[in-house]
Amino acid sequence: KAGVTQTPRYLIKTRGQQVTLSCSPISGHRSVSWYQQTPGQGLQFLFEYFSETQRNKGNFPGRFSGRQFSNSRSEMNVSTLELGDSALYLCASSVDPTGGNAEAFFGQGTRLTVV
Amino acid sequence: QKEVEQDPGPLSVPEGAIVSLNCTYSNSAFQYFMWYRQYSRKGPELLMYTYSSGNKEDGRFTAQVDKSSKYISLFIRDSQPSDSATYLCAMSLGRGATNKLIFGTGTLLAVQP
Repeated sequence: KAGVTQTPRYLIKTRGQQVTLSCSPISGHRSVSWYQQTPGQGLQFLFEYFSETQRNKGNFPGRFSGRQFSNSRSEMNVSTLELGDSALYLCASSVDPTGGNAEAFFGQGTRLTVV
Repeated sequence: QKEVEQDPGPLSVPEGAIVSLNCTYSNSAFQYFMWYRQYSRKGPELLMYTYSSGNKEDGRFTAQVDKSSKYISLFIRDSQPSDSATYLCAMSLGRGATNKLIFGTGTLLAVQP
């Protein structure tokens, strides 16, 4: 069974640019969450999508956005990049937490460097 | 005060030792408790997943949850150099709510051969 796939694995962008990251969840999983991981702040929740709807959002500026498609694949977008956006962006997939199964499986992440 | 507190370490032990990793939390509404292992430059790997209070064992790993004390633990028996990684605890509200995970800061473990 394939795991969570994130693309690309590495990105280097310039301040002011925008970036789109992609996540394909485990087959059959309908919930996708995104996290930002930095040495100083650790893992912080960005947002969660379930059945193409954003169900929850973390405390990040509006420059961070996301969406989920009908096949459960998800993308996140960061506009007007800042140096502080440099981080490992992680995607996690879950079957369906409303069914009582909250196990979340992570991808390898996309390492974004803003210069 | 953070919702989840975890000693960042680093923790260094000899091969074969029993390792104890711990987290405390403040939100009594948390229902699901997880431990992840993260190797350098990799994504977190789910090790243990428990619901509510109690113990769960899987091979060399044992997870304990004490909701009355708001305290969770992960024990690693017969530790190996390959166990050297950062261990993250995570919690969620669970059923009918959200799948949002709140993480501890992670404990860096080094198992010396």
